[in-house]
Amino acid sequence: AQKITQTQPGMFVQEKEAVTLDCTYDTSDPSYGLFWYKQPSSGEMIFLIYQGSYDQQNATEGRYSLNFQKARKSANLVISASQLGDSAMYFCAMREGRYGNKLVFGAGTILRVKS
Amino acid sequence: KAGVTQTPRYLIKTRGQQVTLSCSPISGHRSVSWYQQTPGQGLQFLFEYFSETQRNKGNFPGRFSGRQFSNSRSEMNVSTLELGDSALYLCASSPGQDTQYFGPGTRLTVL
Repeated sequence: AQKITQTQPGMFVQEKEAVTLDCTYDTSDPSYGLFWYKQPSSGEMIFLIYQGSYDQQNATEGRYSLNFQKARKSANLVISASQLGDSAMYFCAMREGRYGNKLVFGAGTILRVKS
Repeated sequence: KAGVTQTPRYLIKTRGQQVTLSCSPISGHRSVSWYQQTPGQGLQFLFEYFSETQRNKGNFPGRFSGRQFSNSRSEMNVSTLELGDSALYLCASSPGQDTQYFGPGTRLTVL
C-alpha cells in the first residue's frame, strides 16, 4: 500500500497567489513525522517544513505552512504569495517510529508559477 | 555552517564495474542517510548510519553497501553495476528526527 500519496502530478499558480499541494499518508504508528521538500531542476532537495504527529499546532516556516489534519491523515503544504522561484518539484515524505530517519517519499507534484 | 557535500557530483561507469560515493554531513550531525532517485521508482531509501552503525536499511540488493567513519563521513558502494543503477544518489544528514538536510547528489550513469 502507498504510504504517501500525492494526487496532483502538476499544478499551475499565478504569481502572488496562494497554492495548496495535497499529501495523504498511511501509517498505524502513533509516532511519525511529516516533511515537505522542494527540488528545483538543479536536483538538490531543499527542506521546507516539518510536522510531528504529536504537534498540536500546524507548522509554519515563512511563506510555507502545513495544514495537518490527523484524523484524515492529510498533510497539505500551503505556499502563500507564490513567487517565480517557487517553480519546482515538491515532495511529501514521512518518517515512522521513534528511532531512525528513514523517509518514505511520495511521487511528487510539479508546481509552475506563472507571471 | 557548511552544508552536506557529496563527491563526485557526476560519474560515468560501465556495467560490471563498482563505484564508491562519498558524503560529508553537516558538522555535528551523526545520522547520515542515502537515497536513490530515478524517474521510474522515484525516491527510495537505501540505508541510514548513525555513530558508525547501520540503523535502517531499505529494500535493495546486497550489491549496495555503505559505511560510516568516526568523523560521521559516509560512503556507499555499489558493486557489479547494472544499467538500472543509473540514478541520482542523494545523501542526507540529520541532527535529530525533525530535519534532514540533503546534499547536491551524485549523478551516476551506467553504460
